[in-house]
Amino acid sequence: QVQLVESGGGVALPGGSLRLSCAASGFTFNISGMHWARQAPGRGLEWVAHIRFEGYNKYYADSVKGRFTISRDNAKNTVYLHLSSLRPEDTAVYYCAKNWFHGFVYGGQGTQVTVSS
Amino acid sequence: QTVVTQEASFSVSPGGTVTLTCALRSGSVSSNNYPSWYQQTPGQTPRTLIFNTTARSSGVPDRFSGSILGNKAALTITGAQAGDESHYYCALYFSSAIWVFGGGTKLTVL
Repeated sequence: QVQLVESGGGVALPGGSLRLSCAASGFTFNISGMHWARQAPGRGLEWVAHIRFEGYNKYYADSVKGRFTISRDNAKNTVYLHLSSLRPEDTAVYYCAKNWFHGFVYGGQGTQVTVSS
Repeated sequence: QTVVTQEASFSVSPGGTVTLTCALRSGSVSSNNYPSWYQQTPGQTPRTLIFNTTARSSGVPDRFSGSILGNKAALTITGAQAGDESHYYCALYFSSAIWVFGGGTKLTVL
């Protein structure tokens, strides 16, 4: 069973940075693509970023391109999301998910990011 | 900008059948978009229902089915139950390696 534990969220100032982590278990991590998605308060889901299994190919939503960086450590079964130049509209619950047939398999509770002065 | 549209809300009677759709503002949805569907109740993590257009995720009852209807992806729920009252989101994949979620449908069972 896919288990994903997101951490690293918190309160950041506009223009600030955070690094989110997602520890994975229950599946073969090093052959799985991974996503980050988010959900702003009272809003729908938004895809944020994807990283392929090998860690070299990375893709981003236009809303975060140039500000967020996805990475992974296959030795630690962990995927990361570095958030920089944060804006109030980045306030959301951030979920990581396993890629499965170009869909999302969620396995954690998410981590809350709040951008506020 | 790619926009994926879903009905904002829908109602179904207990025991009834409802079909939710997922469309592109410009263009048609096909199996090449690998439509997937998610159920989410407030404050909870989304649950995957359908992936790759028609495949049910493990543990999802066969009351839930996915398909392509015309130029849209569709999620059909048969024998609706009170526990099906939730938000439903679709997601589409595009070959430029981006994914886009629809805005979600709030389903009421009454």
